[in-house]
Amino acid sequence: GAVVSQHPSWVICKSGTSVKIECRSLDFQATTMFWYRQFPKQSLMLMATSNEGSKATYEQGVEKDKFLINHASLTLSTLTVTSAHPEDSSFYICSACHRPRGTSTDTQYFGPGTRLTVL
Amino acid sequence: QKEVEQNSGPLSVPEGAIASLNCTYSDRGSQSFFWYRQYSGKSPELIMSIYSNGDKEDGRFTAQLNKASQYVSLLIRDSQPSDSATYLCAVGGTSYGKLTFGQGTILTVHP
Repeated sequence: GAVVSQHPSWVICKSGTSVKIECRSLDFQATTMFWYRQFPKQSLMLMATSNEGSKATYEQGVEKDKFLINHASLTLSTLTVTSAHPEDSSFYICSACHRPRGTSTDTQYFGPGTRLTVL
Repeated sequence: QKEVEQNSGPLSVPEGAIASLNCTYSDRGSQSFFWYRQYSGKSPELIMSIYSNGDKEDGRFTAQLNKASQYVSLLIRDSQPSDSATYLCAVGGTSYGKLTFGQGTILTVHP
């Protein structure tokens, strides 16, 4: 249980184009999902918290107009990187919150990640 | 000051040995604690969660939590080369589901 998928797993695009990444919780509903970015040999950097039916909460320094997040249903959140540039090339990972049976605390389960390369 | 700190690596242990990974956190209100494993080029995978003081065992893994000392650790018994990865300590506070991650400790298990 608690499986999270991401699509696409990798994408190469030209500078200036927009890229949409989907994150789905396959066997549970997730009110809250998170989007992270990870550069090589660095730790996870939280970009934003995505809540179903409301606006995302962005971390300091993350441009909300560049990284558009939509959480339209309890199983799907999307991240759109608008007007992508080479410096946006990174590993983007989503996670979805699930409360395992018998616990009172949410646990984050990660998707497999999307590797974005902007030429 | 970092909110979640992990012991500096990399950590190298021989196959069959016990690997000990440590983590301290600064927020006394933290309520949930997690260990994730991340292989190179892959996303993090949940290994253990712990919420109350003491030990929690799952197979070869044991998580230990001491809230008074603000300390959480992960022991890996009978380490295998397949355990070689980066281990991330994550702490949950009062924000709904949000985690603060440590910088990770690289573990290498050599045959």
